[in-house]
Order: sequence, then structure tokens, then C-alpha cells
Amino acid sequence: GQNIDQPTEMTATEGAIVQINCTYQTSGFNGLFWYQQHAGEAPTFLSYNVLDGLEEKGRFSSFLSRSKGYSYLLLKELQMKDSASYLCAVTDSNYQLIWGAGTKLIIKP
Amino acid sequence: IAGITQAPTSQILAAGRRMTLRCTQDMRHNAMYWYRQDLGLGLRLIHYSNTAGTTGKGEVPDGYSVSRANTDDFPLTLASAVPSQTSVYFCASSEQGAEGANVLTFGAGSRLTVL
Repeated sequence: GQNIDQPTEMTATEGAIVQINCTYQTSGFNGLFWYQQHAGEAPTFLSYNVLDGLEEKGRFSSFLSRSKGYSYLLLKELQMKDSASYLCAVTDSNYQLIWGAGTKLIIKP
Repeated sequence: IAGITQAPTSQILAAGRRMTLRCTQDMRHNAMYWYRQDLGLGLRLIHYSNTAGTTGKGEVPDGYSVSRANTDDFPLTLASAVPSQTSVYFCASSEQGAEGANVLTFGAGSRLTVL
């Protein structure tokens, strides 16, 4: 079956760096997405990786290794507003999106 | 403001009743989707539409139906609600369906409780 694994919850300190991992087993691969979802709100798009390597966008970076079925989202200079759930999703060979259950990130002062 | 509008925001419904969740987008996106989100689970696709006039079944379509009469509207109907359909429902859209890097834009969600 198809599966996306992410840690359920992580805690980090304001101003620090945190890495949220995502591993996947899917039938084919056509890209990996990261979305941010604040409590009670809709998911919003953060990043997209289709080739191996690091994509940097301000304080957020996303890394992909297709051979390892692995991605991570790196958040730098954490702010209280970064407290949210982070959803990893993979597009399979049929271009269907498979979603992880999300990682709840708690930022402490 | 461009985006997706969902209604109602929340609803409590008696089991066996019929319910339609409304979704309207003003971005002229071709593809639209309905997801449900339950605690501890990833978003699960209920139904989708790659373009006006066509619809398809997602991962969990049973008990739900959709229609896509035009580009903007994509209502989701529960013909006879059951308690297991208690969930938060998100409507989403993307510029294209099927192939490609489809970045989804989500509505604010509809919280449905079936008693």
C-alpha cells in the first residue's frame, strides 16, 4: 500500500531551527508537497520538490531524496506564528495526491 | 478577494438527513476537489473534478455525491448522513487536473457533526 510517515508532534524553541521529516512509499513519484495548516484553518502551500536537492524559500527550505523516499522541511529562526501542523503529500504515478497525517509543531518562547 | 468560499462553516445534523456542502471558487481553476480531514489521519479525497462537466471518485466516495455544472461551483451532497461522516470537509481547487504540479488552494472548511 501507499504510505506517508511523519512524526505526530514536535516541540521547538523560538529562534531555533527545526527539521520535520517525511518518508514515503508510493507507487511511483511525481512530486512532493509541503503545506502548513494553522489550527482551525485551511492548509496553505509551502513548497514543491520534484528533483533531488534543497529548495530554499526564505526561512523555509525543503529537501528531497527520491532514492531514499525521504524529504524534510527545515524551518529557521522560528517564530511563534510557525506553530502549526505541517503536511507532507506525494503525487504518485497516477498523479493522485497521497497525504501524511501531519506533524504538529509547538513553538515555545 | 480571490479564493474559495465554503458554506456552511459548521453544521450539526441528525443522522438520516440530507445535507449539501457548497463550494464556489472565483479563480477560474479547472480542477476541484473535496477532502475530509479526521484527527490522526491524512486528508482523504472524496470526489474530484478535472474540468466542468466531469467528476471522479476519490479514496472514500461512499455516501457522497458531487456535481460540476460549471467551472465555479462544486457542491458535495450527503444523501443520508451517518455519524461516521462527522468530519471537517475541505474544498480545494487547482489550475489543472491530472498531470502536473497541482498546487491546491483550499477553502476554510466546513465542520460537520452527525448525531
